[in-house]
Amino acid sequence: DGGITQSPKYLFRKEGQNVTLSCEQNLNHDAMYWYRQDPGQGLRLIYYSQIVNDFQKGDIAEGYSVSREKKESFPLTVTSAQKNPTAFYLCASSIGLGERRRDTQYFGPGTRLTVL
Amino acid sequence: KQEVTQIPAALSVPEGENLVLNCSFTDSAIYNLQWFRQDPGKGLTSLLLIQSSQREQTSGRLNASLDKSSGRSTLYIAASQPGDSATYLCAVRGAETSGSRLTFGEGTQLTVNP
Repeated sequence: DGGITQSPKYLFRKEGQNVTLSCEQNLNHDAMYWYRQDPGQGLRLIYYSQIVNDFQKGDIAEGYSVSREKKESFPLTVTSAQKNPTAFYLCASSIGLGERRRDTQYFGPGTRLTVL
Repeated sequence: KQEVTQIPAALSVPEGENLVLNCSFTDSAIYNLQWFRQDPGKGLTSLLLIQSSQREQTSGRLNASLDKSSGRSTLYIAASQPGDSATYLCAVRGAETSGSRLTFGEGTQLTVNP
């Protein structure tokens, strides 16, 4: 099956801990994205990557870090510097810049992170 | 900075009714506009994508229109069904030179009552 997988589905973090959320895609997409969604709000962009070994900050990057060592993987680390990390995290991928006008994003099922 | 607004925030209709969801955006320099559906606790599913040069797109009972000059889009759902109950999100892809990012509205939560 082609698609995007995220793990774990639920994650609990203690104060002061770093946690890493996994995102994998087998769609052969160049671009990948991480979003945060809070209750009753739209999605806000954390980080995005248009190609392997390159990534850019989105609108709310503080307290988060990413890596893009492989085309199919884009893990997100929520660090202890993120003061209010409890949220629903969504990963997405798309073909990339070459198909910008028709480029649609495909989303994973999400990870719900709760700080205890 | 691009801002996307969706009206209404919530909508409840009886089954079979036709309905319209609205989306407006502040910067008309866009590549495309997408409508997504999100079920509770799930990821997003793309419903329709309208390129900046297009006026509308149709898929089954769904029809989305785009008026780029006025910064507006509508999603029309015909003969609504209880299975259409979900949150509908509008997103625009800006024409920035450094990457193509989606800016999302806050969504319209739709409930279709049997």
